[in-house]
Amino acid sequence: DVKVTQSSRYLVKRTGEKVFLECVQDMDHENMFWYRQDPGLGLRLIYFSYDVKMKEKGDIPEGYSVSREKKERFSLILESASTNQTSMYLCASRPGQMYGYTFGSGTRLTVV
Amino acid sequence: ELKVEQNPLFLSMQEGKNYTIYCNYSTTSDRLYWYRQDPGKSLESLFVLLSNGAVKQEGRLMASLDTKARLSTLHITAAVHDLSATYFCAVGSMGTDKLIFGTGTRLQVFP
Repeated sequence: DVKVTQSSRYLVKRTGEKVFLECVQDMDHENMFWYRQDPGLGLRLIYFSYDVKMKEKGDIPEGYSVSREKKERFSLILESASTNQTSMYLCASRPGQMYGYTFGSGTRLTVV
Repeated sequence: ELKVEQNPLFLSMQEGKNYTIYCNYSTTSDRLYWYRQDPGKSLESLFVLLSNGAVKQEGRLMASLDTKARLSTLHITAAVHDLSATYFCAVGSMGTDKLIFGTGTRLQVFP
């Protein structure tokens, strides 16, 4: 089975801190994605990547950046965390466009 | 811009009953997905629907796709408590790698 691993289940950070959320997949998938999930808003796409060093903005990229130096790892960076970035962050990967996503277990980030 | 709507948002149903969740989307798409999420957990893939008229079944759940109507349904047959979860549909944005998710349907099955 494909495994998508997010390094932290829960994180508490202070406003203004630089935050790194890490995601690793073990099946050589081309595409990787970062979503955030908020009550009443569903899942919203932050950034995605379809190859190493390639990245595309999703629907809500403001305040975030990403890094994909190796195929298996896709990092989400909050340059200066703010309280409105408190959310559940979900990483996903898939081998190609016609396939469903495999999601990681999620990181619940609280910014205080 | 692709928009995805699910209804109902909340569904409380008795064990043994049947019900349908609807997923409407606003622009042409060639792929639609259904996911399940248990409280505090991540999303689990249920179905991938890639063509008009596609029907997939797994246990008490059956999903179908009508691309002309821009509508997918998730039908629940003889509900059991274990089906209690939030169900999301997600629609592929044509020409991109993006999936747009609906806001989810929270299903609660009671005895």
